[in-house]
Amino acid sequence: KAGVTQTPRYLIKTRGQQVTLSCSPISGHRSVSWYQQTPGQGLQFLFEYFSETQRNKGNFPGRFSGRQFSNSRSEMNVSTLELGDSALYLCASSWAGRTDTQYFGPGTRLTVL
Amino acid sequence: AQRVTQPEKLLSVFKGAPVELKCNYSYSGSPELFWYVQYSRQRLQLLLRHISRESIKGFTADLNKGETSFHLKKPFAQEEDSAMYYCALNTGNQFYFGTGTSLTVIP
Repeated sequence: KAGVTQTPRYLIKTRGQQVTLSCSPISGHRSVSWYQQTPGQGLQFLFEYFSETQRNKGNFPGRFSGRQFSNSRSEMNVSTLELGDSALYLCASSWAGRTDTQYFGPGTRLTVL
Repeated sequence: AQRVTQPEKLLSVFKGAPVELKCNYSYSGSPELFWYVQYSRQRLQLLLRHISRESIKGFTADLNKGETSFHLKKPFAQEEDSAMYYCALNTGNQFYFGTGTSLTVIP
């Protein structure tokens, strides 16, 4: 089975711009979660989508949003980028979410200048 | 509130020595606990979860509800164990990860 894929792998943006990241889960997985990883804060949960619905949300501002398509692929959008948004964004898929084992993608490295 | 605490950011042990990576959690419900590992240039992957009670690559972890701990242990460290280790708690709604411990096994 192919693993979780994320595109693009690297992005450089400037403050004020917006960005869209994409995640393709493992075939058959219906849950996709997004995380922000920074050296200071570690992995922080952004949100989880299951069957095209946002099921859980972490403590991030509304500039961070996402969606999931009928094929379970998910996108994450960050609007009005700030310097502090520079991070590695990881997506993880699992069969049905909840306490299922999560399988992580390689991440998208976002740099905001 | 910090749900998962890994007190050691860096840990170095000699090859063949025992290793213990500490993890404490804060959760009033019934916890689901995991250890994830990230080897150099690889993606984050599951090492073990407490409900399966299995040993992976010689590592074990016991849930101690009284001490709210889920420490990861291995009796004899190997060089290939050098990696970043993350303890994670799942509450049924989301995963909470610790900040990680970087383990270096010295040959």
